[in-house]
Amino acid sequence: GAGVSQTPSNKVTEKGKYVELRCDPISGHTALYWYRQSLGQGPEFLIYFQGTGAADDSGLPNDRFFAVRPEGSVSTLKIQRTERGDSAVYLCASSPGGRGNTEAFFGQGTRLTVV
Amino acid sequence: AQSVTQLDSHVSVSEGTPVLLRCNYSSSYSPSLFWYVQHPNKGLQLLLKYTSAATLVKGINGFEAEFKKSETSFHLTKPSAHMSDAAEYFCVVVYTGGFKTIFGAGTRLFVKA
Repeated sequence: GAGVSQTPSNKVTEKGKYVELRCDPISGHTALYWYRQSLGQGPEFLIYFQGTGAADDSGLPNDRFFAVRPEGSVSTLKIQRTERGDSAVYLCASSPGGRGNTEAFFGQGTRLTVV
Repeated sequence: AQSVTQLDSHVSVSEGTPVLLRCNYSSSYSPSLFWYVQHPNKGLQLLLKYTSAATLVKGINGFEAEFKKSETSFHLTKPSAHMSDAAEYFCVVVYTGGFKTIFGAGTRLFVKA
């Protein structure tokens, strides 16, 4: 595709439910990032993939959060037992390079609301 | 700890006047520094980046930023603001050898007619 695509664009779920958020990076980009942006704040790093492997998952807040990228392209962020505090915009970005000094291209985000 | 601080949460300027958005980062090995812009209901877009080449970096839409190692700063400037510049601006740092990108809290720029 032309850019990074994230689906769904909006997700409303009940507290305690499980959700999956999908990211389709730009074709050929080996690096993929997930961020969480709460209202009025800057994006907060969650996890970075280089290819299929998670090179840095130090930003995941707890073990309810997990992400996969099984074929080195599409990634899914999974949140178990959702809490109201998980409500935020979840952003995905991809870049062609393997280091953080290359430009990252962002998707429009998925707005998650936990009620 | 690695961090980036945007010194102003809001900046308001009149159209045609200069823009200054301030950013400081915590000192470490030579970082890579970026400025991104986020317009309402749009994705983050790269304005410019510094990766240890020239210290004065020119970006899109007339923006530029200067890396000052002695001051650990990377302030964003534009000589003349346009109404279309109204948006949220984020300063971002990546430390050498790392992957973790650290965003500042953002500065919302308002442009008055």
